[in-house]
Amino acid sequence: ETGVTQTPRHLVMGMTNKKSLKCEQHLGHNAMYWYKQSAKKPLELMFVYSLEERVENNSVPSRFSPECPNSSHLFLHLHTLQPEDSALYLCASSQDMASSGNTIYFGEGSWLTVV
Amino acid sequence: QKEVEQDPGPLSVPEGAIVSLNCTYSNSAFQYFMWYRQYSRKGPELLMYTYSSGNKEDGRFTAQVDKSSKYISLFIRDSQPSDSATYLCAMSHPSNQGGKLIFGQGTELSVKP
Repeated sequence: ETGVTQTPRHLVMGMTNKKSLKCEQHLGHNAMYWYKQSAKKPLELMFVYSLEERVENNSVPSRFSPECPNSSHLFLHLHTLQPEDSALYLCASSQDMASSGNTIYFGEGSWLTVV
Repeated sequence: QKEVEQDPGPLSVPEGAIVSLNCTYSNSAFQYFMWYRQYSRKGPELLMYTYSSGNKEDGRFTAQVDKSSKYISLFIRDSQPSDSATYLCAMSHPSNQGGKLIFGQGTELSVKP
């Protein structure tokens, strides 16, 4: 148990569906992240939130829409995805921004399959 | 050139062997270096954290950073089948906006009984 909980753990969706991934951290951290992990590729940072404000959007297509209603919760809204978006989506948190040397704690991930 | 290079493996060793995992990087500004372990179908978990150069030891694990060569290593002594996982190196520097950790591709390790 890392203190970062993601739901659902597995999701299969059609290209016309709309779904959301949810993340909750119980660590009292101020920064939250969405990462994408595809097979044989390094982890890709998608979005960063610090104190509920988005501080980075790493050239992510608009079919991915993040939402951070408070410092403990983070959502990733998905719509009109493509099969190449199938991947493991990891939520993470850190006390403050990772570039300040704060370590990042990951959730277990949400396995997404787009059909 | 990728900012962080890591041999993806797979690497297979017998139980009890000493394992050496490595990453090279190109940006001399990196100051914070981490190793994460990721079991199959799980999220990465932090294994070791090192600031700047030097060694850090934690049980059977030793992390080394050589900033002059832009090279970091993770050594696992007396490797166990439970060490079978993918090991990811990651690094960052203070001026890296957005809290971006740069990850290596990960090395898949298999320890055979």
